[in-house]
Amino acid sequence: AQSVTQLGSHVSVSEGALVLLRCNYSSSVPPYLFWYVQYPNQGLQLLLKYTSAATLVKGINGFEAEFKKSETSFHLTKPSAHMSDAAEYFCAVSARNTGFQKLVFGTGTRLLVSP
Amino acid sequence: EADIYQTPRYLVIGTGKKITLECSQTMGHDKMYWYQQDPGMELHLIHYSYGVNSTEKGDLSSESTVSRIRTEHFPLTLESARPSHTSQYLCASSQGHSNTEAFFGQGTRLTVV
Repeated sequence: AQSVTQLGSHVSVSEGALVLLRCNYSSSVPPYLFWYVQYPNQGLQLLLKYTSAATLVKGINGFEAEFKKSETSFHLTKPSAHMSDAAEYFCAVSARNTGFQKLVFGTGTRLLVSP
Repeated sequence: EADIYQTPRYLVIGTGKKITLECSQTMGHDKMYWYQQDPGMELHLIHYSYGVNSTEKGDLSSESTVSRIRTEHFPLTLESARPSHTSQYLCASSQGHSNTEAFFGQGTRLTVV
């Protein structure tokens, strides 16, 4: 069975500081990996995804993530935080070679950005 | 911008009432999903559909039921609401295989009193 662990339910950074949100997965074979963002009272929006092309994936809003098979990790980073980045971030996995998008989510990390 | 819509956005209802949460998408996606999200918790898949007349139960057991009579419409029904059903319900849709993006609606926050 697949699972996702997100370390830290809350991460606080100052505006302009580096953002690092951690995600580790458990799967018998490398899965597809996703990062979604959820703003208050909104649905989820895809930030980026890893589907076995380049291991360093660039997404929207200046975010990127690196797939590291040896560490079973897919951490999300952004060089310089902006106030508008404050939101809930979810890491998710999906099994390969299935005919549909059955996502298994982590518990989420709330990013707080202070001036 | 995703074209997937959920109504109502917020619903407060009494115990024992029957409710239907609506979800519609205009993207022509064949696959649709319902996730349940409790505060501070991960999202759990409760129902999904491959296409018209196809419905399956997800990983989290739910007393709700779904139907898929039209491609664009995937309503979720609770025959008799209970306080334990209080949660946020998110609808999503996708096309193709498991490496594609799932598009999410804004969610329905349900409170059963």
